[in-house]
Amino acid sequence: SFELTQPPSVSVSPGQTASITCSGDRVGEEYACWYQQKPGQSPVLVIYQDTQRPSGIPERFSGSNSGNTATLTISGTQPMDEADYYCQAWDSTTALYVFGTGTKVTVL
Amino acid sequence: QITLKESGLPLVKPTQTLTLTCTFSGFSLSTVGVGVGWIRQPPGKALEWLALIYWDDVERYSPSLQSRLTITKDTSKNQVVLTMTYMDPMDTATYYCAHNTITGRSFDFWGQGTLVTVSS
Repeated sequence: SFELTQPPSVSVSPGQTASITCSGDRVGEEYACWYQQKPGQSPVLVIYQDTQRPSGIPERFSGSNSGNTATLTISGTQPMDEADYYCQAWDSTTALYVFGTGTKVTVL
Repeated sequence: QITLKESGLPLVKPTQTLTLTCTFSGFSLSTVGVGVGWIRQPPGKALEWLALIYWDDVERYSPSLQSRLTITKDTSKNQVVLTMTYMDPMDTATYYCAHNTITGRSFDFWGQGTLVTVSS
């Protein structure tokens, strides 16, 4: 199964746009999803099937996936968005799940 | 409303076997397309997928841990059990169970997690 690599950290000013990448061979051929995890809490699904937002997730969260890179975009970033973010995909060739290395988003 | 909760001993000695139980409500593991997975997170580190069992009893394991893991389900009790043999201090982590469907291949509902420490 493939490996998913994310930048360790991303910094963004309040109100600006944060983009978090998730790189892996063929990731664009699979569905990617994204989780937000705040300190001491369980992960929360924020994007599934590349672009879909679960109920209750703000519209400022969006996703895309093509080629070797999946991307989570947070538009109009708010201080409450400060958290760790993980991508995840299912490798259809092996039927196994993979998580990315994680990105810490700092809003300052 | 889907909920999941992990339970098990918080402290395990090296070489012992860890047994974790995920008790869930709000869905049935006999429903086509549904699965329950286990994911762990060492302190300060990334999430790591461990195993998953589907409604049809198909099991999937992380290749790096497959020889040590077994996942089973008891549909009548709404429980999924994960056993991990030969525990090592490196296995110290918070262990989560989570709901999964084959349509999205994502984990849409998570338990609160249970911290397991491996120490003599």
